Amino acid sequence: EVQLVQSGAEVKKPGESLKISCKGSGYTFSTYWIGWVRQMPGKGLEWMGIIYPGDSDSRYSPSFQGQVTISADMSIRTAYLQWSSLKASDTAVYYCARVSGSGWPSYFDYWGQGTLVTVSS
Amino acid sequence: QSALTQPASVSGSPGQSITISCTGTSSDVGGYNYVSWYQHHPGKAPKLMIFDVSNRPSGVSNRFSGSKSGNTASLTISGLQAEDEADYYCSSYTTSSSLVFGGGTKLTVL
Repeated sequence: EVQLVQSGAEVKKPGESLKISCKGSGYTFSTYWIGWVRQMPGKGLEWMGIIYPGDSDSRYSPSFQGQVTISADMSIRTAYLQWSSLKASDTAVYYCARVSGSGWPSYFDYWGQGTLVTVSS
Repeated sequence: QSALTQPASVSGSPGQSITISCTGTSSDVGGYNYVSWYQHHPGKAPKLMIFDVSNRPSGVSNRFSGSKSGNTASLTISGLQAEDEADYYCSSYTTSSSLVFGGGTKLTVL
């Protein structure tokens, strides 16, 4: 059974750094892209970026390029989303999801449970 | 990359059919047969309902179907049930080798 298990909720202050995780199981972790999706309070889903754990090739949405870093450690089947300096506007639920597609990484077929990040002074 | 355009809300009575539209451009929806649809109940993880315009993953009811014409994709839910009440999002692959979501549609089952 494919599962993605995310790290727990975080409460941080503006300016602090943060790294949240997403551990995959039940499939060959290195051969599927993993993506991150943001949902701000009361808002819709936003595609942030994806990474291929096999070679760490990554792609970012222009809206998130330079704002976050996506990484992966194939040896422990875990992908990460990190911030160097959080802002209040980073308050959101962040989902990781496995990306599949026939030739292109084009849809999310399995999702993590979500990680709530709250940034407040 | 601008979000795809979906109606903010749709509604229907149990047993009826509804259709949710998703409009993009030739750089995304119109350019590829890589449109997907997700059902999202608040507080839960989104669920893939349709991929590659019209394919259903294993386990998804055949009451859900997808189609596309030009730059607009559509999700149709037939035989509406109370548990279908949720937010629905479309997504498309784009010429930037990225994905883009629609703004989401809230489905209310009356």
